[in-house]
Amino acid sequence: DGGITQSPKYLFRKEGQNVTLSCEQNLNHDAMYWYRQDPGQGLRLIYYSQIVNDFQKGDIAEGYSVSREKKESFPLTVTSAQKNPTAFYLCASRPQSGINYEQYFGPGTRLTVT
Amino acid sequence: GNSVTQMEGPVTLSEEAFLTINCTYTATGYPSLFWYVQYPGEGLQLLLKATKADDKGSNKGFEATYRKETTSFHLEKGSVQVSDSAVYFCALSGRSSGGSNYKLTFGKGTLLTVNP
Repeated sequence: DGGITQSPKYLFRKEGQNVTLSCEQNLNHDAMYWYRQDPGQGLRLIYYSQIVNDFQKGDIAEGYSVSREKKESFPLTVTSAQKNPTAFYLCASRPQSGINYEQYFGPGTRLTVT
Repeated sequence: GNSVTQMEGPVTLSEEAFLTINCTYTATGYPSLFWYVQYPGEGLQLLLKATKADDKGSNKGFEATYRKETTSFHLEKGSVQVSDSAVYFCALSGRSSGGSNYKLTFGKGTLLTVNP
């Protein structure tokens, strides 16, 4: 079955540690996205990538980094510079650039930093 | 810039009641509009979409009509079920400012609880 995989589902880290969240898709989609979800805040865009080896900052990129070395993979690193990293992180992909195409979402990773 | 405003929740209904969740938007040009649903602990699933004015999206008994004159995309269902309990997000896909990239802009979500 085609889809988006995020692992792990739950992740716990100590403050001051970097942590990398995995996102893999086998939908052959060009564009991939990372969102952060906090209660009552909706979804906020962290980073997105329209093509391999290229990515752009979203609305809340500070304290995060990404890479896009392969079409199917878009890992997100939450660095120790991120002030409030505890959140639900969602990865999404889209077939191609274009206004009519919806995004497909993964199941999410809940990160807790103590 | 683009923005989406949807009614604040939570919304609590009895089974078989009529549902309306209001959504209005601000965007340049002609965006596409979407409703997504999120069940507890899961990612978002596309519920329905409309890509031009007067289009009606529908799925699983839910409907929404793209109204350009009122910049609205209200979600409706005639008879809700307990299994419809979830968070509903309105979103638009529009061109980012000064660029050629398309991004989704989301509302804050509306929590719906349906009681038996």
